[in-house]
Amino acid sequence: DAKTTQPNSMESNEEEPVHLPCNHSTISGTDYIHWYRQLPSQGPEYVIHGLTSNVNNRMASLAIAEDRKSSTLILHRATLRDAAVYYCILRDQETSGSRLTFGEGTQLTVNP
Amino acid sequence: EAGVAQSPRYKIIEKRQSVAFWCNPISGHATLYWYQQILGQGPKLLIQFQNNGVVDDSQLPKDRFSAERLKGVDSTLKIQPAKLEDSAVYLCASSLVKFTGELFFGEGSRLTVL
Repeated sequence: DAKTTQPNSMESNEEEPVHLPCNHSTISGTDYIHWYRQLPSQGPEYVIHGLTSNVNNRMASLAIAEDRKSSTLILHRATLRDAAVYYCILRDQETSGSRLTFGEGTQLTVNP
Repeated sequence: EAGVAQSPRYKIIEKRQSVAFWCNPISGHATLYWYQQILGQGPKLLIQFQNNGVVDDSQLPKDRFSAERLKGVDSTLKIQPAKLEDSAVYLCASSLVKFTGELFFGEGSRLTVL
């Protein structure tokens, strides 16, 4: 699986937008970009995923660079409940099936 | 809709003892996964089942870990004998066979080996 690079930690303020970066310079054409988050003492939960185009859902937006070597998870208005570890994961549909390989993620702190 | 159920939530054992964790996936999810998450790290896949067959167990330490999914629904993960380094949270997840991009995780079973 191709590797991703994320900052270890980030801080934001409540009710402000948050942009979480992910670098994946070795991404292949068949790699999907997945984002999961893990709240304290819980299992990870799905946030969003995409292949080439930007994606929006009720939780967040995923902005994918034109060359696909980086992506950004956007939380439009952070709440205290968004404090979590955010994982950016690449999944090669052809070789990995539904297997997700988690890295160490970005610890997001949201200040009131 | 009920989520992925796991038990026990917490377990403390001494090294060389055995332990078993149980998982009940979301109804209709044929694919089931066991992950191990050591403190401060991301989850690591141990084994993946589709129905009651093993799809991937390449990272399962087979000398001490075993898992089964006899009827294609519930699953059990066993560790025997446990080592100190097995202290971790054991996460079960499930998904549809036709993968939508979404894994559904349980809350996990936290194991402490003394």
